[in-house]
Formats: sequence, C-alpha cells, structure tokens
Amino acid sequence: SQKIEQNSEALNIQEGKTATLTCNYTNYSPAYLQWYRQDPGRGPVFLLLIRENEKEKRKERLKVTFDTTLKQSLFHITASQPADSATYLCALEGYGGSQGNLIFGKGTKLSVKP
Amino acid sequence: EAQVTQNPRYLITVTGKKLTVTCSQNMNHEYMSWYRQDPGLGLRQIYYSMNVEVTDKGDVPEGYKVSRKEKRNFPLILESPSPNQTSLYFCASSFAGADTEAFFGQGTRLTVV
Repeated sequence: SQKIEQNSEALNIQEGKTATLTCNYTNYSPAYLQWYRQDPGRGPVFLLLIRENEKEKRKERLKVTFDTTLKQSLFHITASQPADSATYLCALEGYGGSQGNLIFGKGTKLSVKP
Repeated sequence: EAQVTQNPRYLITVTGKKLTVTCSQNMNHEYMSWYRQDPGLGLRQIYYSMNVEVTDKGDVPEGYKVSRKEKRNFPLILESPSPNQTSLYFCASSFAGADTEAFFGQGTRLTVV
C-alpha cells in the first residue's frame, strides 16, 4: 500500500530563517499533493496544492516543490515568524485515485523562536 | 459562511453505549470523510463517501459505521464504543473532481471510559 513519510516529527528554527519540511511517498504516483496546516486541537487548514506536472508552486511566503522522480515534496516557509508555529501535514489521494480518499502524513511540528 | 460543523465538540461516554457524532457541510460538496487523530499515528481515515448512498472503508473502519442519506450530512456511529476509540475525530468535505482541497470540521474529542 502507499506510504507517506514526513521525515521530521519536529523542526525548531529561528525567526526570519527559512523552514524546509520534507514529504516522501512510496508505492504510488499521485496526480497531486497537498499541504495543510494544523493548530493544536483544531482541524487542518488547506495551504497549497501542487500537481504532478508542476515543479514548483508559490503563495506569499510559502513555496512547494514536487519531484516525481524522487517521490518527494518540499515545503518552504521563508522569513518565518512565530505565528507560523504549527504542525504541517502533507496529503495525497489514496490508492485508486479517489479524490475523497486523502491520505495524510503524520506531520511535522514547526516551532519558530523569536 | 462556508463550513463543516461537527457535534458534539467534546464527549465522554462509557464502554458499550451507542453514540453518534454528526457532521454537516453547507458547501454542496460531494465528498465527505471521517478521520481519527492519535498521538504518533497522525490522521487516519475511517470512512469516506463520494456521494449520497455511496460509502467506502478507509484505513481504520473497524468499530464504526456511517451513512450518507443526504448530501450535507455524514454521521459517524459507534455502535458499541470501546476505550481504544478514545481519540480526536475530524470530518472533512470537498468537491468532486481532481485536486480539490478538503475542508475540515472543528473536531470532536471523544473519551470512552
């Protein structure tokens, strides 16, 4: 079955630096990959989606890359702020391409220190 | 306001007492799903539905039931809850079609004693 791995459970960085989070997947070739932000005790909130034919996508201070050869997506937050502290989840469509069947990684908890 | 609404937000119950967690969305989404989230295990899908009267099992369906009689509602039923179903539950919905974002409810924290 497909597997999603977010390499770091936690990432601590200094304010102003760039945070880089990694998402790897195996046994599947998804048509797209999504990134979500989750604050403690709250539901995930959608941030960005990148398609298999897109190498890079940007939204304000966020940048996502998608390397289908490496089976990896990188999520960058530039000029990070303490308010960016949260858990970030990557997700892709489940096996069989059912869009209602999103599979999530376990997440990376980002802490940005002032 | 576009939203996914879950009720209740918090629930403490006893083993074996049937319960239902409701989920409703006002965005006319075709897809709806239920997840549970546990420390160290992340979000795991319980059931999903691609439209009215169409449901399918996710990764951890044992001990749960769902129904989709109306497009906007997707209740999660625990017929005989057990302590290992203590968890944080999320309902989500999205449009059909490729690459659409999912909208999540506020979560239901369930404790089974």
